[in-house]
Amino acid sequence: EAAVTQSPRNKVAVTGGKVTLSCNQTNNHNNMYWYRQDTGHGLRLIHYSYGAGSTEKGDIPDGYKASRPSQENFSLILELATPSQTSVYFCASGRTDNYAEQFFGPGTRLTVL
Amino acid sequence: GDQVEQSPSALSLHEGTGSALRCNFTTTMRAVQWFQQNSRGSLINLFYLASGTKENGRLKSTFNSKESYSTLHIRDAQLEDSGTYFCAAAGGGSNAKLTFGKGTKLSVKS
Repeated sequence: EAAVTQSPRNKVAVTGGKVTLSCNQTNNHNNMYWYRQDTGHGLRLIHYSYGAGSTEKGDIPDGYKASRPSQENFSLILELATPSQTSVYFCASGRTDNYAEQFFGPGTRLTVL
Repeated sequence: GDQVEQSPSALSLHEGTGSALRCNFTTTMRAVQWFQQNSRGSLINLFYLASGTKENGRLKSTFNSKESYSTLHIRDAQLEDSGTYFCAAAGGGSNAKLTFGKGTKLSVKS
């Protein structure tokens, strides 16, 4: 029933490894977003997408890539994970005709050792 | 500096009391969204406002774009209201990006 789901919910990775975080939404929204949350920073935008095949850089894109293969799915890719990327990652979706209102997934806790 | 300044950073309330959380914006914002982050870490949508005031139960929120602020009022606080409250605002343009405040950590005590 949950409209925005994320997998995995928890992930431990090694420095230099590749990590893929996945997001699926059943809201039929065009826009999707990836944020990270760190203590003292609130949520910060990494990448976003206007629709299948589209990816845009957010405010802190360095070290991350994104992929939007379909309306429903949006992935965040860490090609060479570093300990500084240890964080909680949230995916969100939103409509293009009602900008700003976004609906969030449950989050993925990533630890890079 | 930050575009979204949220205050206070922490707040303690006794059950049954109330208070207001505030977000000030340093640039023109077109809409604001308020969230509660609960103990499990989930972000719960509370309000989305492009203008005016909305109320839902014990919560009420106002967004004044002209004066660059938004408020969230909590009345008759309950233990389950504890958590961190975030405001997030969208500026102009078509990309619908949200800029988050750093949050208000609310503790409700019996």
